[in-house]
Amino acid sequence: KQEVTQIPAALSVPEGENLVLNCSFTDSAIYNLQWFRQDPGKGLTSLLLIQSSQREQTSGRLNASLDKSSGRSTLYIAASQPGDSATYLCAVNQAGTALIFGKGTTLSVSS
Amino acid sequence: GAVVSQHPSRVICKSGTSVKIECRSLDFQATTMFWYRQFPKQSLMLMATSNEGSKATYEQGVEKDKFLINHASLTLSTLTVTSAHPEDSSFYICSARLLPRGGGTYGYTFGSGTRLTVV
Repeated sequence: KQEVTQIPAALSVPEGENLVLNCSFTDSAIYNLQWFRQDPGKGLTSLLLIQSSQREQTSGRLNASLDKSSGRSTLYIAASQPGDSATYLCAVNQAGTALIFGKGTTLSVSS
Repeated sequence: GAVVSQHPSRVICKSGTSVKIECRSLDFQATTMFWYRQFPKQSLMLMATSNEGSKATYEQGVEKDKFLINHASLTLSTLTVTSAHPEDSSFYICSARLLPRGGGTYGYTFGSGTRLTVV
């Protein structure tokens, strides 16, 4: 059974710092890996989707990498801002199946 | 883009009553809908998978008689929490699978979630 683990569970940084969030998964036979953002009491916002054949995706200050063979992904956030404060969720799926989520990393960026 | 509209966003109900949550795909046909719930400070846990026109498949430990899922059309899926109890208080969120276009990959779009509080 696929399990997704995210480290750290929580992270506090001052504004402007670059940071890395980690995600690992136990079954490397994934189809996609996706990073989401969730604000308190809200739904999910998709940030980046990496297909299994890809190694990374970039969007603005965000860069996500995927090492499928080792079952790992990282989300790199450059020049963090207070507005980046949220919970970041990593999720994987096999073809056509539901996304399996990690517990998330709660990020707090102070001004 | 593909949007799933989920209602209500918040509901408070008395113990023993039933609550229906609706998810509508606004500009696409959702052949498959996934239902998740999220307890405070926990991750999203898959409850069930529903395909239009057929019975839902429930994850282990999820009571199918308590959480009734109906996916009678390609644009509407509903989750009914029957005889709700305080321990059912949670954040419920639906997700529709987006079929690939032009050789692209599967994607998923999510409703905005429903905060259920049972008192």
